Formats: sequence, structure tokens, C-alpha cells
Amino acid sequence: QKEVEQDPGPLSVPEGAIVSLNCTYSNSAFQYFMWYRQYSRKGPELLMYTYSSGNKEDGRFTAQVDKSSKYISLFIRDSQPSDSATYLCAMKVNRDDKIIFGKGTRLHILP
Amino acid sequence: EPEVTQTPSHQVTQMGQEVILRCVPISNHLYFYWYRQILGQKVEFLVSFYNNEISEKSEIFDDQFSVERPDGSNFTLKIRSTKLEDSAMYFCASGDGGSGTQYFGPGTRLTVL
Repeated sequence: QKEVEQDPGPLSVPEGAIVSLNCTYSNSAFQYFMWYRQYSRKGPELLMYTYSSGNKEDGRFTAQVDKSSKYISLFIRDSQPSDSATYLCAMKVNRDDKIIFGKGTRLHILP
Repeated sequence: EPEVTQTPSHQVTQMGQEVILRCVPISNHLYFYWYRQILGQKVEFLVSFYNNEISEKSEIFDDQFSVERPDGSNFTLKIRSTKLEDSAMYFCASGDGGSGTQYFGPGTRLTVL
């Protein structure tokens, strides 16, 4: 079983729709959960960061972590064409330095 | 807003040559990282650096790789003898260590011919 699994997509949704992105993981030691956005041939940009379980909201973005199910989600409300990018889930064990990334989901918002 | 910068944006080299990739982390950060992303694959951790020494490294980071903080602002990754399979995007990241968040630079595309 892969450590972090993420559907690569592509996922195409109309402008204004709610987008749901998610990842599953196998390592119960993960405590830090992140979502990065990556535009083509650019570096990952930190969008959301959550420690342990729960929800976190920032503008149009909501991150959810369910440690009991080993499942994390990112919701984007009122999606815009500028949201079109690859979204990477990422996780970290407290004592480790390294971040473990999912493969990313390509998202297309159709005008 | 402060950001991580990297130079060059694209480096082309011949197999067997040495390359140095450069990064300027965010100025008040103390933790520095290198990751790479082979085309179409995941972003992978290479190495972390704190207090002038390597704190963690992956299996990818073998004897061909080294890191250095030559002055108070730069952080470098050296590949001693490049191989074709070293072709990838290399990302530098930095963090303050407190929250565990890491901020990434725009990357250097390394092409080994």
C-alpha cells in the first residue's frame, strides 16, 4: 500500500462549482497535513496547513482531516478559472523533517 | 511577501559534469530543504539542513550529492557527477521549524544530456 494516495485526475468542473479533492494515507504517525497548489512548471505553493484532526477554513478553501479514516480533503468554494492547477496533498510525521507528497490531482475549472 | 528564490531556472549539463544549484531561503528561516520532482512523478524529499549540518536525508541523497550554506543567505545543492536520471526539477524549501510548514522556491529544471 502506498504511503499517500491521490487520484491524479484530471478533474474538470464548471466555474462556480464546489470542488472536492482528497487523499488517503497509510501511516498513522502523520500529524501534519498540508495542501499545496502547483502551477505548471512552478514550485508548490502552500495553501492550507492542519495539525492533527479537524477542519480549517481560509477564504474559499476548507481543509478537513479525519485521522480515524486516514483521509484528508480540500474543498474549494466558488471555483474560479485561476484555481486550475495541480493540487498536492502532503503529510509529515512530527519528528521527521521530510514531507511526503501525493502525486497530485490536476484540476480544470471551465469558464 | 518574502519568498524562496532559486538560480538558475534551467541548467543543462553533460553527463558526468558537476552542477551547483543555488537557493536563497526566506531570511528568518533556520531550516532548509531540497526536494526533486522527476517529470510526471511525485515531489520527493532529498535532504534537510539545520544548524550547519544535515539533519535528515533520503536514500536518493547518496555520495554524489552534497549541500552547503556558504554564507548567511545562500543554500546550495551540488551534484558531483551527474547522471541522466538526475534530470528533474529541484526545489529548495525553507521553514521556521516551529509549525513544520515549508515554503518552496520556483525550482531549477536540471537537464542532463
